[in-house]
Amino acid sequence: ETGVTQSPTHLIKTRGQQVTLRCSSQSGHNTVSWYQQALGQGPQFIFQYYREEENGRGNFPPRFSGLQFPNYSSELNVNALELDDSALYLCASSLDEGGVRSYEQYFGPGTRLTVT
Amino acid sequence: QKEVEQNSGPLSVPEGAIASLNCTYSDRGSQSFFWYRQYSGKSPELIMSIYSNGDKEDGRFTAQLNKASQYVSLLIRDSQPSDSATYLCAVNITSAEAGTALIFGKGTTLSVSS
Repeated sequence: ETGVTQSPTHLIKTRGQQVTLRCSSQSGHNTVSWYQQALGQGPQFIFQYYREEENGRGNFPPRFSGLQFPNYSSELNVNALELDDSALYLCASSLDEGGVRSYEQYFGPGTRLTVT
Repeated sequence: QKEVEQNSGPLSVPEGAIASLNCTYSDRGSQSFFWYRQYSGKSPELIMSIYSNGDKEDGRFTAQLNKASQYVSLLIRDSQPSDSATYLCAVNITSAEAGTALIFGKGTTLSVSS
């Protein structure tokens, strides 16, 4: 158990709709990263938040956006859903001890998004 | 474009044998390297991290790092059927755009037969 939870587990949406995925990590895990994993591929980095500010972004369009809250929860929002957005969405958290950030990332169970 | 390359497999080994998984990466500035195990339908689980050249052992797992060759490997000794999974190599990169992010390979599927 990593202490990282995600909701919902599964989700089916229609092309063009919007979706919000949620993640909750442990106390002290001030860094949260979001990844998209298509079938048969490794996870692809979407973006990272540290202490409620975005501090890195991968090669994803602006319709992918996020938020991080002070209570160690975070959100991934995707607008104007496309069929290719169908994937497993993973959040991962990292420990921040005394201002020293660990690079080890611990994943939640993921949200399986299907866009029809 | 920062890349991490792995053989997709499948890698098939008999129970009790040593499984050897390999990974190369393109970013010479990378300093942190990780191996994740992912069972079918589950999320990745961190099993090894390595930061310095050489070997790091944890139980039946040994990670090996050679920064000069940009090469990371994972050895699994006494392989068990429960080790059958996809193994993902991940490399930490730092850039102005990405901040500090993990770049993953596509994973190697390991099958251990009893």
